Amino acid sequence: KQEVTQIPAALSVPEGENLVLNCSFTDSAIYNLQWFRQDPGKGLTSLLLIQSSQREQTSGRLNASLDKSSGRSTLYIAASQPGDSATYLCAVNPLTGNQFYFGTGTSLTVIP
Amino acid sequence: DAGVIQSPRHEVTEMGQEVTLRCKPISGHDYLFWYRQTMMRGLELLIYFNNNVPIDDSGMPEDRFSAKMPNASFSTLKIQPSEPRDSAVYFCASRKHHMGTEAFFGQGTRLTVV
Repeated sequence: KQEVTQIPAALSVPEGENLVLNCSFTDSAIYNLQWFRQDPGKGLTSLLLIQSSQREQTSGRLNASLDKSSGRSTLYIAASQPGDSATYLCAVNPLTGNQFYFGTGTSLTVIP
Repeated sequence: DAGVIQSPRHEVTEMGQEVTLRCKPISGHDYLFWYRQTMMRGLELLIYFNNNVPIDDSGMPEDRFSAKMPNASFSTLKIQPSEPRDSAVYFCASRKHHMGTEAFFGQGTRLTVV
């Protein structure tokens, strides 16, 4: 069974800093990987979807990279803002089956 | 499109009562997923449907849980009888037919069983 881990579990940074969130998975046989944001008491908002054949995807201040062979993905957030405070989750879609396997999440706090 | 719509947003019920959660997926999406989120276990897949047909229900905790998808625009997750350990946030998600597409989640239903 695919296992997905996110480190760190919590992160606190001052506004304006660039930061990196990490996601690792045990089985490299994946179709794609998706990064989500979850605000307290809310649902999951899709941020980026990166296919297994891609190395990275960008959306605004967000950049996601994927190294499938080593089982790693990173989410880079440039010039962080207090509005970026949320929990960030990565989810892996394996080659077989259609479900997503979710990571444990990183709770991000950006201090004004 | 309004996105994935779930109802109710909050549900408080007494142990032993029946609970029905509802989901309307995004129009045109062929896959529908039910997830449960708890602090202890994170997000867990309960069941998913493809073209209204249940494909994998191995995540359904026990027989007290059942899910249906009578048509492409509606699904229900029922718990009968409910127990305090069922307290969690239940999410519905949908995706187009191709595995390479994004999954979109609803706002969730926060269930409290007292």
